[in-house]
Amino acid sequence: ETGVTQTPRHLVMGMTNKKSLKCEQHLGHNAMYWYKQSAKKPLELMFVYNFKEQTENNSVPSRFSPECPNSSHLFLHLHTLQPEDSALYLCASSRRVRNQPQHFGDGTRLSIL
Amino acid sequence: GQSLEQPSEVTAVEGAIVQINCTYQTSGFYGLSWYQQHDGGAPTFLSYNGLDGLEETGRFSSFLSRSDSYGYLLLQELQMKDSASYFCAVRPRGGQNFVFGPGTRLSVLP
Repeated sequence: ETGVTQTPRHLVMGMTNKKSLKCEQHLGHNAMYWYKQSAKKPLELMFVYNFKEQTENNSVPSRFSPECPNSSHLFLHLHTLQPEDSALYLCASSRRVRNQPQHFGDGTRLSIL
Repeated sequence: GQSLEQPSEVTAVEGAIVQINCTYQTSGFYGLSWYQQHDGGAPTFLSYNGLDGLEETGRFSSFLSRSDSYGYLLLQELQMKDSASYFCAVRPRGGQNFVFGPGTRLSVLP
């Protein structure tokens, strides 16, 4: 039990589909993050939320749309994805933005057909 | 910009000691962190060096030398369960978030 729960664990979708990834944390943290992890590449930060406000968008394509309704929940809405978007998407949280340590979920393994 | 380098793979036997290095090129940062990730699992925080020197946590130790732009993770008394990927990460000064290294895959052999 990592304290950060992501669903679904696996997702296969076509390029024209719309789906959402969900992240939930029960650690009382105020900052939440989305990362992309591709094979043989470093973790790439996508979005950062601090107290529900988006504080960072690392030049992520608009086909990825984050949503943070409260400090405990984070979503990543997906639409018209490309094959190169296939990766492991990790959610993390921390007490404050940019704070150590970050607590990660197990991720969603996304495959785009 | 910021970049971190790690060896891609390291192999060692049970009971041995292994050192995983992390070299970086960044103008300034708050500290060096290490994370462990087992296959199919979440990265988990291992250690943090805010100051130069050695930090020890059980079988794991981490070291930082800002003057040498270098840090390492030392794993002692290796166990099979230590087989995983290990990532170093820094939080650069200037308001940016964490930058992760490419990861080192450690294989512990019986």
